Amino acid sequence: KAGVTQTPRYLIKTRGQQVTLSCSPISGHRSVSWYQQTPGQGLQFLFEYFSETQRNKGNFPGRFSGRQFSNSRSEMNVSTLELGDSALYLCASSSLGGGAHNEQFFGPGTRLTVL
Amino acid sequence: SQKIEQNSEALNIQEGKTATLTCNYTNYSPAYLQWYRQDPGRGPVFLLLIRENEKEKRKERLKVTFDTTLKQSLFHITASQPADSATYLCALDGETGANNLFFGTGTRLTVIP
Repeated sequence: KAGVTQTPRYLIKTRGQQVTLSCSPISGHRSVSWYQQTPGQGLQFLFEYFSETQRNKGNFPGRFSGRQFSNSRSEMNVSTLELGDSALYLCASSSLGGGAHNEQFFGPGTRLTVL
Repeated sequence: SQKIEQNSEALNIQEGKTATLTCNYTNYSPAYLQWYRQDPGRGPVFLLLIRENEKEKRKERLKVTFDTTLKQSLFHITASQPADSATYLCALDGETGANNLFFGTGTRLTVIP
């Protein structure tokens, strides 16, 4: 089975712009979770989707949004970028959900740099 | 909210020795606890999951213990190798019943040949 793929792998944007990141989960997985990883804050949960429904959202401003399509592929969008949004954005897929009762399969991440 | 402390930011050990990493959590007791490995610039890779009613879990050279009284998990790598050098993260459910993981900040392990 192919693993979780994320595109693009690297992205450079300027403040005020918006960005869309994409995640394709492992075939058959219906849950996709998004995480932001920075050196100072570590891995922080953004949101989790299951069968096109957002089930859980982390403590991030409304500039961060996401969606999931019927084929389970997911996108996240960040509008009005700020310097502090520079991070590695990771998505994870699983068959049953984004919690600790399930093994999560992470993608390689998208490295976003905001100038 | 839950807090997770992993014993130290960095741990250096000699090849062949056993590495022991600690994960302490503060609030509610999770039903499940996971350990991941992360290499620089890559996503975390799942290693082991342990349930609250399991005291210990093993997989090859890896062993995890879970003490709900102490609110602590220990992660052991026996006969460590330079290839084991990575950051190791423990993770719990973000909130009881939530569909997300809450991660510790990780311990960076370096195995010296």
